[in-house]
Amino acid sequence: QSVLTQPPSASGTPGQRVTISCSGSSSNIGGNTVNWYQQLPGMAPTLLIYSNDQRPSGVPDRFSGSKSGTSASLAISGLQSEDEANYYCASWDDGLNGPSVVFGGGTKLTVL
Amino acid sequence: QVQLQESGPGLVKPSQTLSLTCTVSGASISSGGYFWSWIRQHPGKGLEWIGYIYESGDTYYSPSLKSRISISLDTSDNQFSLKLSSVTAADTAVYYCARERGEGIDYWGQGTQVTVSS
Repeated sequence: QSVLTQPPSASGTPGQRVTISCSGSSSNIGGNTVNWYQQLPGMAPTLLIYSNDQRPSGVPDRFSGSKSGTSASLAISGLQSEDEANYYCASWDDGLNGPSVVFGGGTKLTVL
Repeated sequence: QVQLQESGPGLVKPSQTLSLTCTVSGASISSGGYFWSWIRQHPGKGLEWIGYIYESGDTYYSPSLKSRISISLDTSDNQFSLKLSSVTAADTAVYYCARERGEGIDYWGQGTQVTVSS
């Protein structure tokens, strides 16, 4: 059971816009920023969005992130076949034992 | 270019201790501001953050693993290590070392498969 909640799957056709949600609580998303990772099959994850809505250099502007309250979203516009991957949200959590990183369970994106 | 590389045995017997090392190149683990982390991924599952060590030596471990885990720094070799004791089949996973900068993990190792089996 992941601390952050994501839908297990999402899908879209090429060119479409899809969004992936991530729900948390006041101890994580509500009080900290959200990062998103893309994991292609058989590969290590890579940072896709950091600090809620910032893109690392090299990430296309088709990818965007937002946060409101205790939830966050990743949007992918102009969907492409190479976007088929697993997507994970993550945030710091201000737990009683000290700060930790918590992940969502991941969303498998299928490009139809 | 920062690179992280995990190393260690791919097969560990039940009840033994899993030991992995992450060798960092292109950056010093003694430089401040980074959380040198271990993350694992069970087969077909999501990411599980195991813990981190700061350059000061301060550590944080996942509560679910805290009694079995130890993370240490070796600044002379620019490495950090993970030890997980009393392993069971449930510890079979791909283990990643990573650099968390506070605003996301900007560098990951390629991952190393560890199987717990007799």
